[in-house]
Amino acid sequence: SQQGEEDPQALSIQEGENATMNCSYKTSINNLQWYRQNSGRGLVHLILIRSNEREKHSGRLRVTLDTSKKSSSLLITASRAADTASYFCATGPYGQNFVFGPGTRLSVLP
Amino acid sequence: DSGVTQTPKHLITATGQRVTLRCSPRSGDLSVYWYQQSLDQGLQFLIHYYNGEERAKGNILERFSAQQFPDLHSELNLSSLELGDSALYFCASSVVVTGELFFGEGSRLTVL
Repeated sequence: SQQGEEDPQALSIQEGENATMNCSYKTSINNLQWYRQNSGRGLVHLILIRSNEREKHSGRLRVTLDTSKKSSSLLITASRAADTASYFCATGPYGQNFVFGPGTRLSVLP
Repeated sequence: DSGVTQTPKHLITATGQRVTLRCSPRSGDLSVYWYQQSLDQGLQFLIHYYNGEERAKGNILERFSAQQFPDLHSELNLSSLELGDSALYFCASSVVVTGELFFGEGSRLTVL
């Protein structure tokens, strides 16, 4: 079974709006990462948050991590059409391998 | 450009055949991961190599095998191919086991 599960499965918003995606996981982790995938392309790393961090920012991205609830959220502010992609969280249990969730498909409409 | 090179980009073959997918990781990256992505299965972890040694296996079928060579490139061998093996196969590399993954553009396998 998947270690990480993104929610919602699909999200459609207008340009300029904020997009929030959530990720829940099951076991203790060393870190959690978010990736973006444009259709049919390789995944691109967005941001990594360690288990001892609660929030991290990178440009228009804000990631939070709540280890007590085993959940993370990715916020994309002021979204653009170019943000249209699938977004995946990947969890790395300490010393283990990265398991990806099924992803959230984000559509940003112009 | 992630620095990870996968060949071939596209491959069409018949059921029962065998193919080899190749991955060259980023310079200096010791870890290589293989993933399979199909429409109905999402991104499935297959296998992880670190500096030539197998570190972990995921949902990899017995018909599939992989290895990482001394120069750190890796090959994924798929044999006795079935229609359901049609998918995108991604290779990713990282410097350390728990670090950021850099993905190649994938090899799209179509089994007819």
